[in-house]
Amino acid sequence: NAGVTQTPKFQVLKTGQSMTLQCAQDMNHEYMSWYRQDPGMGLRLIHYSVGAGITDQGEVPNGYNVSRSTTEDFPLRLLSAAPSQTSVYFCASSSWYTEAFFGQGTRLTVV
Amino acid sequence: AQTVTQSQPEMSVQEAETVTLSCTYDTSESDYYLFWYKQPPSRQMILVIRQEAYKQQNATENRFSVNFQKAAKSFSLKISDSQLGDAAMYFCAQRPQEAGGTSYGKLTFGQGTILTVHP
Repeated sequence: NAGVTQTPKFQVLKTGQSMTLQCAQDMNHEYMSWYRQDPGMGLRLIHYSVGAGITDQGEVPNGYNVSRSTTEDFPLRLLSAAPSQTSVYFCASSSWYTEAFFGQGTRLTVV
Repeated sequence: AQTVTQSQPEMSVQEAETVTLSCTYDTSESDYYLFWYKQPPSRQMILVIRQEAYKQQNATENRFSVNFQKAAKSFSLKISDSQLGDAAMYFCAQRPQEAGGTSYGKLTFGQGTILTVHP
């Protein structure tokens, strides 16, 4: 009964480094998305996907890249980390008739 | 565009008392879902309650209930018999309800309300 598995839980990067946040779901949901959470701003949508091979930008996509080769996996790539990307990141999955199920979150610090 | 506004950054309540968290929203969609999520210090996002906009009856889940006023675009959460474990950040959120479209997973969140429960 894993649901949405997101790794890592914590990460510290230096400015300019790249990394990939992993997200996997086992509920056969077609919809997956990435959010970032910043104080006083709630969660904001970075990128989303409605199925394998289909991705699109959300509200704050700059500096992030995604791909979806399978229904289960939806990794988020930071191409060149900047201090402005210090945040808590959440992966989520859903179907049209369900609520969103979230991963445990990743606290990312860029120094 | 969809927006969600939570005007109370912080709220507090005594254990066993009742507290109401406010949420207003705006949307151009005719069909949509509304949610309240709880985020304890563990950071996990936990669904508290959901409401389908086409349903007139207010949703309830044990001690949690909503006051859904569709015309006023208001969606408040009432917590009865508050418990220490209710202390958390609470987020109001909405998304379109459209089977077969591409927007149904796009959640729009409010800024969050930190709830403190005093023993």
